[in-house]
Parts: sequence; structure tokens; C-alpha cells
Amino acid sequence: ETGVTQTPRHLVMGMTNKKSLKCEQHLGHNAMYWYKQSAKKPLELMFVYNFKEQTENNSVPSRFSPECPNSSHLFLHLHTLQPEDSALYLCASSQGGGRIFGSGTRLTVV
Amino acid sequence: TQLLEQSPQFLSIQEGENLTVYCNSSSVFSSLQWYRQEPGEGPVLLVTVVTGGEVKKLKRLTFQFGDARKDSSLHITAAQPGDTGLYLCASRETSYDKVIFGPGTSLSVIP
Repeated sequence: ETGVTQTPRHLVMGMTNKKSLKCEQHLGHNAMYWYKQSAKKPLELMFVYNFKEQTENNSVPSRFSPECPNSSHLFLHLHTLQPEDSALYLCASSQGGGRIFGSGTRLTVV
Repeated sequence: TQLLEQSPQFLSIQEGENLTVYCNSSSVFSSLQWYRQEPGEGPVLLVTVVTGGEVKKLKRLTFQFGDARKDSSLHITAAQPGDTGLYLCASRETSYDKVIFGPGTSLSVIP
């Protein structure tokens, strides 16, 4: 248990489905992040939130929609995904230092 | 944008052996972090190095930051099966939100 909790751990969805990934941290961190980890590729930063405000969108397709209702919760809403979006989606938080990661959601798009 | 290279990409060794993995950059690191990621889990921060020439030890792991702050190494002494995982280096740029990850070294320690 790292202090960052992600649900669900595994998700299989069709290309026409809508689903959401959830991330929660009670570490008192001000920054939260979504990363994508695909096979044979480095961790890719998707979105950054500081004090609930989105400060970075790393050219992520609009079929991924983040939401940060408060500094402890972060969501990633998914719709009309493609098979190439299958990956491990990691949430992280930080207080200006190293990233504290959750265990990730293994997403498979069929 | 800073690019990180890690070598080797894969490493498989017997329990008890020593090993070193490397992280190199096309430009100077402001600081460098090492993470270990076990299968099915997120990366876990091991150490942060900031000063050129800095050496930090964490039990059997020794982390070294190059004098020019463009490279770093991680040495593991007497590797154990529990050391198996993906070792990631990450560079933190001037803006604290910018952390660039390398592709990782996948280590397998065979009992």
C-alpha cells in the first residue's frame, strides 16, 4: 500500500463503451498525475493537476478526459477507445519531489 | 526535450551475482531518481540524487551520479530474487512537474 489507490485493477472494455478510472490519495499531496505505460515504451505523462487545476495535457487524444474534483481524487474518463489504448494506466501524486504511484489499472480494449 | 537511455534493456542473472545498470542523458540532469517496478505494480521511488559525484547506498544497492550529471549507475551486490523488476531512471527538470522517465532495465534474478 503506497498511499495512492487505483480502481479498478483490471478493466476490459469494448471500443464503444464508456468507463472511468479512479485514483485516490490521502498523502496531502498537491499534485496528481496520469501516466500511460505500454509495452516496450517509456512511461508517458498524460495529465498533470496542481491544486485541482490542470496544468499539463501532453497532447492526449480527447477520448481520454481527466477530472479532478478535489486534491485527493483524480478520474480518467474513457470513451470510444482504440485497441492501441490498451496499457497500464498509472496514477501518481507528489509534493514537489518523487512520484508516489498507485498499482495501476490494466486496461484492455477489445 | 531531454532523452534518457538505459542499459542494458534486459538482464538475467543468478542469485548472488553482482550487477550494474546505467542511465544516460543527452543533457544535464537537474536531479535524477531511480524507481523499481515489480510486475503488476506501480513504480516505487528508491532514491533521488542531486549533486554531481554523489553516491548513495540503500542496503545492497549503490547509486552513483556522474560528475557531469549526465549519467548515473545503479549497482546491486549479491542480487536476490526479490530484486527482480523493472528499474527506471527519471530526470527531473527545472519545472518540478517535468519528470522524464527512461525506458527501464528489466532485471530477472534466478534462484
